[in-house]
This record gives sequence, C-alpha cells and structure tokens, in this order.
Amino acid sequence: GAGVSQSPRYKVAKRGQDVALRCDPISGHVSLFWYQQALGQGPEFLTYFQNEAQLDKSGLPSDRFFAERPEGSVSTLKIQRTQQEDSAVYLCASSLMDSPNTGELFFGEGSRLTVL
Amino acid sequence: AQTVTQSQPEMSVQEAETVTLSCTYDTSESDYYLFWYKQPPSRQMILVIRQEAYKQQNATENRFSVNFQKAAKSFSLKISDSQLGDAAMYFCAYTDSWGKLQFGAGTQVVVTP
Repeated sequence: GAGVSQSPRYKVAKRGQDVALRCDPISGHVSLFWYQQALGQGPEFLTYFQNEAQLDKSGLPSDRFFAERPEGSVSTLKIQRTQQEDSAVYLCASSLMDSPNTGELFFGEGSRLTVL
Repeated sequence: AQTVTQSQPEMSVQEAETVTLSCTYDTSESDYYLFWYKQPPSRQMILVIRQEAYKQQNATENRFSVNFQKAAKSFSLKISDSQLGDAAMYFCAYTDSWGKLQFGAGTQVVVTP
C-alpha cells in the first residue's frame, strides 16, 4: 500500500480480554515502531524492530504487552488480559532507513483501543 | 532522562496571520534531532519539519520555520500565513536514538477565518 496501514481502527474490549493490533508498514521499510498515545497526551515509545529483530522493547509497560514481526514486514502488538489503563491509541510507524540521517518516520492512523 | 515540554495547550490564530509554538527540551547529549509533527483529527502524525542539532541554520519548509536555540534548549515553530488546513494538534519531538522519539504534550492550533 501507499502508506502505513493499521487495523482495526477501533477496538472495544472487556477487561481481561486479549487483543491483537496489526500494522502493515510501507513495503520495503526496514524499521518499525509502536507508540502508545493516551487521550490528550503525546505518543510514548513502546518498541522498535529492525526487520524481524526486536532491538528495543524498553517502552512496553508490562509483560502483558508483546510485539512481533516474524517475517520483517507485518507486525502485531498483542495485549493480554487488558486493563482499563490500556485504553489508548496505538500508533505504528515505519522508516526506510535505520539511521536518523535519512530515515523519515511514516505513521499510520492508529488503532483506538477502549477497555471497558 | 530527556524531557520535552510544550507549555501552550492551545493557540488561536486568524487566517493569514502568524503563530509561534514553543517547545523546550532537556538533554545532556550534544548530537540529537528535533521535530515538529502535525496530528489532525484523523490521528495520522505528519512530519512538518526537522532540525539536526549540529546544524546552526534554522530549518525552513515553505510556511513553516523553526527558531532553534541550542544553548537555551529551545525549539519553536513559526507558522506563517496560517491556513484553515493548519488546524491540528502539533507535537514537538526529540531523539538521540533513531526512531525512539520523545514527544511533548502537544499544542492545539485553532485557525479562525
């Protein structure tokens, strides 16, 4: 596709349910990032992949959060046993390069998760 | 730890006028990058402008320009000749480790006809 695609755009989950959020990066992009954006806040870094390797997962808030990118393209962010504090927009971004000199981040439109 | 502060929750500007958004940051690094992103209601973050800390010249992109004051750790965005399409949330962001951006809380820009 032309841009970063995320699905679902909206997800409502009952507390305790597991959810999976999908990110389709721009074809050929090496780097992929997940961010969490709470209502009225700026996005916060969750995790970073370079191809299929998860190089940084320091932002994942708990062990209920898990991300994967098994073939170096599509990525899935999984949240187990969801809690109300997990309610947020989850943004995915991809970049062609893996250095700051030339690699612009392209963001998707995000997945809005509401936990009841 | 690095922090990014945007002290203006909302700024209002009339069409064709100029508005300046402020951003300050805290870091002990000498080499880093600063960005301004625009987030319309569609939620997609769009890069407006970027600045490399080692460059003394302020970045400019059409109607958007920055005032980068490295010693003061200040990075303001000026929007000239404001248009209705400029209305959005604007985020200042910092990184010294590629992709791991740190964002401020954002400034809502309202453009009035």
